[in-house]
Amino acid sequence: AAGVIQSPRHLIKEKRETATLKCYPIPRHDTVYWYQQGPGQDPQFLISFYEKMQSDKGSIPDRFSAQQFSDYHSELNMSSLELGDSALYFCASSSIRTITDTQYFGPGTRLTVL
Amino acid sequence: AQSVTQPDIHITVSEGASLELRCNYSYGATPYLFWYVQSPGQGLQLLLKYFSGDTLVQGIKGFEAEFKRSQSSFNLRKPSVHWSDAAEYFCAVGGNSGGGADGLTFGKGTHLIIQP
Repeated sequence: AAGVIQSPRHLIKEKRETATLKCYPIPRHDTVYWYQQGPGQDPQFLISFYEKMQSDKGSIPDRFSAQQFSDYHSELNMSSLELGDSALYFCASSSIRTITDTQYFGPGTRLTVL
Repeated sequence: AQSVTQPDIHITVSEGASLELRCNYSYGATPYLFWYVQSPGQGLQLLLKYFSGDTLVQGIKGFEAEFKRSQSSFNLRKPSVHWSDAAEYFCAVGGNSGGGADGLTFGKGTHLIIQP
């Protein structure tokens, strides 16, 4: 079965640079979520989108922005990168039409800020 | 605000022994509850979920979990563990606000070590 696709899988940036992470949801899923997982930490919810509209917002820094496009893929844009942004970034997708709206996670993008 | 507590940071179990991982949650309404497993450097794989109905839910890889509303718990169990079960296990509570697309709140995770 098709899964959530994230690109790139690994990314190395310098401080104060920008980064863009991409997420392609499972086919026919209409909702995407972004999470950040620091080393040895639990995943922290950042933001979600349904039908290209922001739906829920968590602890997303003001330096980060995200959007969902007409083909349902999503991009997380991160500016003025800081050392503390080094983490694993997960995208998850779901179909809001299902009763439980279960989230299925991608493999993650490992961002390293030097 | 919703929260999840996993009291055990590490658990060591002998291969073939039974396993129970504890999870307690705090949520204002009827929760959606999930268990995910994560191998080192990997993504999160859904083991099982509860949203209503039968309080004992079956998942993949021989795992099951029981929802106990009176104890605000959703403990994960497996009758006989295999070495391949060594991983990080996360309990999570999801939104049931009616609006959908709510972010999950995760516990801190339990690191499972399997002894030969």
